[in-house]
Amino acid sequence: GIQVEQSPPDLILQEGANSTLRCNFSDSVNNLQWFHQNPWGQLINLFYIPSGTKQNGRLSATTVATERYSLLYISSSQTTDSGVYFCAVVKAGSEKLVFGKGTKLTVNP
Amino acid sequence: DTAVSQTPKYLVTQMGNDKSIKCEQNLGHDTMYWYKQDSKKFLKIMFSYNNKELIINETVPNRFSPKSPDKAHLNLHINSLELGDSAVYFCASSQLQGIGGYTFGSGTRLTVV
Repeated sequence: GIQVEQSPPDLILQEGANSTLRCNFSDSVNNLQWFHQNPWGQLINLFYIPSGTKQNGRLSATTVATERYSLLYISSSQTTDSGVYFCAVVKAGSEKLVFGKGTKLTVNP
Repeated sequence: DTAVSQTPKYLVTQMGNDKSIKCEQNLGHDTMYWYKQDSKKFLKIMFSYNNKELIINETVPNRFSPKSPDKAHLNLHINSLELGDSAVYFCASSQLQGIGGYTFGSGTRLTVV
């Protein structure tokens, strides 16, 4: 099946810092999403981004489908950004959303 | 108005019991899913239903049985619960092949003691 690799696995930042999270995938995809799992366990959809660039406030994401990677940018990080960020993809022709192992982000005050 | 709702949020039960988790979506999506998140936070698909028909059945013990009475509901019944079944179970829904993205419920934390 398709492989989804996220880096880094762990990231610790001071409040106000910027960061870039990366997601590499091993095959063509129809769907790519970034999720934030907050400390209460909720999975929040950040972006549906099979290709191109999107921005939502301090967060933005870029997917380069031809090169099989996606980036999530977090600017001016806040303590509420802490949690685990997951990248998930659907291989072309499949129905399955396959998750990476996540990046655990800790933002310290 | 919650898009994908699961009940209960927490479930603590003894080994050997049978339990059910319910899921409902009001997004008009055709496809619904069950995912399991283990203690290492890894999320893996268990089942998928499209318009009441089972389309994905991963390698899951047959003690787990999904049921979809209509395309807005997907329930998960677990027989003879084991300690290893302790996990967070997420329901999700999407249009066919995930076009437009998947929406997840808030999860059910199952603890088997």
